[in-house]
Amino acid sequence: SAVISQKPSRDICQRGTSLTIQCQVDSQVTMMFWYRQQPGQSLTLIATANQGSEATYESGFVIDKFPISRPNLTFSTLTVSNMSPEDSSIYLCSALTGGSNEQFFGPGTRLTVL
Amino acid sequence: GDSVTQMEGPVTLSEEAFLTINCTYTATGYPSLFWYVQYPGEGLQLLLKATKADDKGSNKGFEATYRKETTSFHLEKGSVQVSDSAVYFCALSDLSSGYALNFGKGTSLLVTP
Repeated sequence: SAVISQKPSRDICQRGTSLTIQCQVDSQVTMMFWYRQQPGQSLTLIATANQGSEATYESGFVIDKFPISRPNLTFSTLTVSNMSPEDSSIYLCSALTGGSNEQFFGPGTRLTVL
Repeated sequence: GDSVTQMEGPVTLSEEAFLTINCTYTATGYPSLFWYVQYPGEGLQLLLKATKADDKGSNKGFEATYRKETTSFHLEKGSVQVSDSAVYFCALSDLSSGYALNFGKGTSLLVTP
């Protein structure tokens, strides 16, 4: 299994600013993902964070808006850029360990944009 | 592409009632299937999983069987408790999605005493 922490746990931000969310895993993992959960909705995949290369984004999500880094096998960041109220969501990081098809989730970052 | 369809909620049951939450999927490959649970104010937790046809996942009294012939993975519990009140998500992953999870819309369950 893997234990995942995220920082910050929540934030309230002003329109037009950017926020970087950090995700730390307690062990080396093969794959890391970022999801968004809009209020009252299900989870939607934003992108797969690739170690040492550019993230792979899902349709509707672009690098300029959601730049992602993954400098090593245990850490990733997601930035929400030029925020608008529509970006108010919970952002979750997850990880897939080698040899397992179970994904473990971080506690999420609750973002409110005013 | 792959997709997951869950029964609409909210579902309200009395304590000790039988629970079924329907989940069906479409996939081009051979996906793994999951049920995740999100308790109020908490993060997402894996409840159970099944990786191939006819596998039964079980945990905390919940069960689900991977039915390839009906492309279903229905969640069941024989006797629900108030503490089972949560949102339940059915999900799948496979190689074509790079093992990212594709979630259903979620089903909110409220169990009353």
